Amino acid sequence: AQTVTQSQPEMSVQEAETVTLSCTYDTSESDYYLFWYKQPPSRQMILVIRQEAYKQQNATENRFSVNFQKAAKSFSLKISDSQLGDAAMYFCAYRPPFTTSGTYKYIFGTGTRLKVLA
Amino acid sequence: GAGVSQTPSNKVTEKGKYVELRCDPISGHTALYWYRQSLGQGPEFLIYFQGTGAADDSGLPNDRFFAVRPEGSVSTLKIQRTERGDSAVYLCASSPLPGNTGELFFGEGSRLTVL
Repeated sequence: AQTVTQSQPEMSVQEAETVTLSCTYDTSESDYYLFWYKQPPSRQMILVIRQEAYKQQNATENRFSVNFQKAAKSFSLKISDSQLGDAAMYFCAYRPPFTTSGTYKYIFGTGTRLKVLA
Repeated sequence: GAGVSQTPSNKVTEKGKYVELRCDPISGHTALYWYRQSLGQGPEFLIYFQGTGAADDSGLPNDRFFAVRPEGSVSTLKIQRTERGDSAVYLCASSPLPGNTGELFFGEGSRLTVL
């Protein structure tokens, strides 16, 4: 069964500094999607960044970038120039390929609470 | 609407009562998901609809939970004989399919409290 593990329940970063959130996953598939979602206190999950497993290049979205290590099944999120508005829960998620699983079920980790210190 | 809408935002009920939680997805999105999020946990998959049919209901914990999507748009999650352990935030998400981005669009959730 596919699993997603986030081993850091909580992280803190000073404003304007850089922080890295860790995520590992387990799958026997070769093609899949990985995501980082942000959940602020309003509860609405918002997509931060997405990585397709067949792409070797690490995804980047402005201050957010990932380090995707397919062989190690690792997918970490780096936030540069941290801002107060980045404070939230961050969830790593995995989606298997449709063709083999017959479903687009997404599997989420337990989350990392990020605190940004002024 | 512009986004995924969930009602009610908060629901308090007594043990043993029946509740319905509603999700109105983004117009045109054929895929709809229900997830349950307990305090301090990540979202836990419940059920996935493709159109009107439940393509995967493997996450429903027991037969007290049921979901429908009769016209392929609005979905209702129904919980019978509620128990205190059902207390959680129930998240709904939609996605266009076949989508090549893989992104889920979430609502703000319905917080269910069973006393």
